[in-house]
Amino acid sequence: LAKTTQPISMDSYEGQEVNITCSHNNIATNDYITWYQQFPSQGPRFIIQGYKTKVTNEVASLFIPADRKSSTLSLPRVSLSDTAVYYCLVGDNDYGQNFVFGPGTRLSVLP
Amino acid sequence: EPEVTQTPSHQVTQMGQEVILRCVPISNHLYFYWYRQILGQKVEFLVSFYNNEISEKSEIFDDQFSVERPDGSNFTLKIRSTKLEDSAMYFCASSEARGLAFFGPGTRLTVL
Repeated sequence: LAKTTQPISMDSYEGQEVNITCSHNNIATNDYITWYQQFPSQGPRFIIQGYKTKVTNEVASLFIPADRKSSTLSLPRVSLSDTAVYYCLVGDNDYGQNFVFGPGTRLSVLP
Repeated sequence: EPEVTQTPSHQVTQMGQEVILRCVPISNHLYFYWYRQILGQKVEFLVSFYNNEISEKSEIFDDQFSVERPDGSNFTLKIRSTKLEDSAMYFCASSEARGLAFFGPGTRLTVL
């Protein structure tokens, strides 16, 4: 499984756009990029998944450059409730994948 | 929206006792997982299960752990003789054959 590297923590203010970048230099051809959000004492919650270019849903956007060695999760206009740990995971979707979680990025949204 | 459910939400047990943590995966999913998260630490993979057998397990998943799918809906994690260091949140997850994993709310296990 591809190893990922993300910032340990980030601070932001309400209403700002937050971009969290994840490096995955040894991503394989079949690997997808998936982001999860986790609040304290809760299970990880799926945010977005992509393979290449840009993916957008009602919660976030995911930008993936052509070489796929990194990806950026973009959260538009964050609120206090977006304070959480965000995990970037990379793995093959062709069969059930065993996600390897890194330490994630602890996002703190300040008023 | 379908979701993974887990029971109990909190389990307190004495060291050396057996515990069974229960999960109901999303109904059309084929792959099932258990993860754990010790307080303040990262989420750790324990085991994956497909077609009624373990497909992969981590070094954490030693002989004191076992998993079972006793019927068409439940997926259980048994810890035979709990240790203090087994205290953690245990998350069940499930996924489709070509999909991503959805996690349950977790069971907080406290070993005294």
